[in-house]
Formats: sequence, structure tokens, C-alpha cells
Amino acid sequence: QKEVEQNSGPLSVPEGAIASLNCTYSDRGSQSFFWYRQYSGKSPELIMSIYSNGDKEDGRFTAQLNKASQYVSLLIRDSQPSDSATYLCAVTAGDSSASKIIFGSGTRLSIRP
Amino acid sequence: DGGITQSPKYLFRKEGQNVTLSCEQNLNHDAMYWYRQDPGQGLRLIYYSQIVNDFQKGDIAEGYSVSREKKESFPLTVTSAQKNPTAFYLCASSIDGGRSTGELFFGEGSRLTVL
Repeated sequence: QKEVEQNSGPLSVPEGAIASLNCTYSDRGSQSFFWYRQYSGKSPELIMSIYSNGDKEDGRFTAQLNKASQYVSLLIRDSQPSDSATYLCAVTAGDSSASKIIFGSGTRLSIRP
Repeated sequence: DGGITQSPKYLFRKEGQNVTLSCEQNLNHDAMYWYRQDPGQGLRLIYYSQIVNDFQKGDIAEGYSVSREKKESFPLTVTSAQKNPTAFYLCASSIDGGRSTGELFFGEGSRLTVL
């Protein structure tokens, strides 16, 4: 079983709609969760971090965490063409190697006009 | 400006040669990381270091080596033992690893091609 799982996509969403990206993780001890955006050929950039159960909103982005279900999601409201990218979910290891940060394989998002 | 500098940006290597990728940061971060990314794939952890003179293997360390002699530097050597080294290599740092926020700051990457 992969440590961090994401649907690879591509996920196609019309402009202005809500894009919903999902991620599950296997380590119950994980404490920190991140969503990174990566444009083709570029390095990832952090867009959201979440550390406790519930929702965290930042502009058009909302991260949702459910530790009991080992599930973290990212919602993008009012999707724009510039949101077309690969979105990577990342979690920290739950043991003493808390510095270890594991990424999922990413979901490709395409916003269609 | 503070940030992470990777060099070279593009590198071509003949089979059987070792190559070293440079990573320097001036963010005063304790933790540094090396990831590998293959086309259409996510990031896989090669090595990480939480403090100077200490580092740990990630999930795909075979065929790679690192050193952490200075806080700001974490070079990665791709050895001839790495059977399929063609990939995009990303270096990253964080303030103190996962113990606080775990947020990663990335360099621009080094693209290695084996001829």
C-alpha cells in the first residue's frame, strides 16, 4: 500500500466551477499535511498546510482534514485557467523521523474554458 | 534574496560516470531534502538531513550518496550504481523538519539525462 495516495487524473473542471482533489494516507501518526501546486517543468510551491481536523480556508482554497479517516482534500472555488497544474499532497511521517515528508503521485487538474 | 540554489540546471552524463548535484540554501534552515521526480510522477524521497553531519535514507537511496558538512549545503552524488538516473532532481529545505510546520521550500531543480 502506498503511503500517500492520490487519483492521478486528469481531472477536468469547467472554469468557474469547484475543483475537488482528494488524498489518503496510511500513517496514523502523521501530524502535518500539505498541498503543493506544480506547473509543468517547474518546482512545487506550497499553497495550503493543515495540522488539525476540520477546514482551513485561504482565499479560493479550502483544505479539509479528517484524521480518523486518514483523508485530506483540497477544494478550489471559482476555478481559473491558471489553476491548471499538478497538485501534490504531502504528509510528515508520524514516527521519530518527523522530518520525513512523503508525497503522493499528484493529480493533474485541467480547467477548461 | 533568500532561497535555494541548485546547479547545474541541466546535466548530461555518460553511463558509468558519477555526477554531483549542488544544493545551497541561505534561509538558515536546519533540514534539507533531495527528491527525484520522473515524468508524470510524484516526488520520491532520496535522502534527508535534519542537522549538520547527519542524514537519513529516504525511500530510494540506492545508487545515491550525500553529505552535510555545512548547514547551508547538501550535495547529491548520483553514482554509476544508479541504474536509471535520468530524472528531475529537486532539493528542498525546511526550518526544522516536520517538528514544527514541515513546510518545504524548493530549488528550481536539476534535470539529469544519461546518454
